[in-house]
Order: sequence, then structure tokens, then C-alpha cells
Amino acid sequence: EVQLLESGGGLVQPGGSLRLSCAASGFTFSNYDMSWVRQAPGKGLEWVSVISGGGDITYYADSVKGRFTISRDNSKNTLYLQMNSLRAEDTAIYYCAKVACSSSSCPCDYWGQGTLVTVSS
Amino acid sequence: DIQMTQSPSSLSASVGDRVTITCRASQSISTYLNWYQQKPGKAPILLISAASSLQSGVPSRLSGSGSGTDFTLTISSLQPEDFATYYCQQSYSTPLTFGGGTKVEIK
Repeated sequence: EVQLLESGGGLVQPGGSLRLSCAASGFTFSNYDMSWVRQAPGKGLEWVSVISGGGDITYYADSVKGRFTISRDNSKNTLYLQMNSLRAEDTAIYYCAKVACSSSSCPCDYWGQGTLVTVSS
Repeated sequence: DIQMTQSPSSLSASVGDRVTITCRASQSISTYLNWYQQKPGKAPILLISAASSLQSGVPSRLSGSGSGTDFTLTISSLQPEDFATYYCQQSYSTPLTFGGGTKVEIK
């Protein structure tokens, strides 16, 4: 059974940093691209970033480019999102999602339950 | 960036009704179109990929169609468990973008 468990969310001041983690199990982690998708309170879904199975190819939404870094440790079956220079508009639930294949052109077929990030002073 | 526009943004329907949600892309995306369902407080669930491929375990009353720029999600006979918000997403090119969502409510 595929399981994705996010952690690392919390309250952070504007300009601060936070690192999210996503522990994966139930599938061969290194064979699949992984994504982060976020949802601001009461709003729709916003794609944030994707990383290839090997970790060598990454893409970002314009809204986070230069501030967020996606990475993975295939030896630990864990996905990360390093978030720097956080802004109030980054407040959201952050979901980790498994991409259905080794290409960003595939959908996200499994999602974690999300971790809440609140950026406020 | 490819913009995805869903309509309507919300609808009210009764159990047994046929419901159609549309999604339009700002440029051709072939059939790189996915549909998700989300219920309050829960993570999204993938319903349909590649415009019309129903995921395992998804009821056959749901169907997807379209190619190019225009797509539809149809629920042939709305059931109580179908009341939720539905999102389309293009996976043709990064940044991958979602539509704004369609909330299906009970009439």
C-alpha cells in the first residue's frame, strides 16, 4: 500500500525558512517523479514543484522559483521541500504527491494528507 | 504558462442528476488532462488521467472526454458520495496547472 506522510509544517514568520519532509513507502521510490502541491485556506490547488526519480531534474512554479528547493534522498525514501524567504501568501496546506510514472507528464496518483504551513508575524 | 479554466465554479444538483463539468486549456494540450476529486479536509483523489482513462476503483458513472483545448467530466447519475470539489489539471508542460475547481453541492 502506497503511503506518503508529510511533516515539518508549522508557524513561521515572514522571511523565515522551513523544510518539509515526505516519507514514502509501499512503492519503489526512486522509480517515480514526486511533486509538491499546495492549497491556500479555502482556495484551489496550486502545483509547486516536481523532481525526477533520480533527483537530477526539477521544475518549479514561478511563484516559488528561487525561494523553494525540492530534493529527495532515495536511500531514505524521503522527499523534501526547502522553503526560504517565506511570505504570507505561502500559507497553505502542502501535499506531497507521487507521480504515476517517471515523467512530469503523468498525473499524481497518490497524495499524502498534507502539512499546514502558516506564515505570519 | 497554460491556463486552465473550469466551468461552472459551482453547481447545485440532486441525486440521480446528470452533471457535466467543463475544462478549457489556453492552448492545445492533446489529452494530457487529469481530473481529481477533493472532499473537505481530505487530500485530492485522482479520478481520470489522459482525458478519459478511469482510474481503478472509480465508479463507471464518471467519465471524461475531450482533446486539444476542451474537456468534460460527466457524472451520469449523481450519488451522495459525489458531492465534492472537482479539479482539472494539465500535465502537458510545466508549470503544471490546475483549473479553479467546481464545487458540486446538494440541491
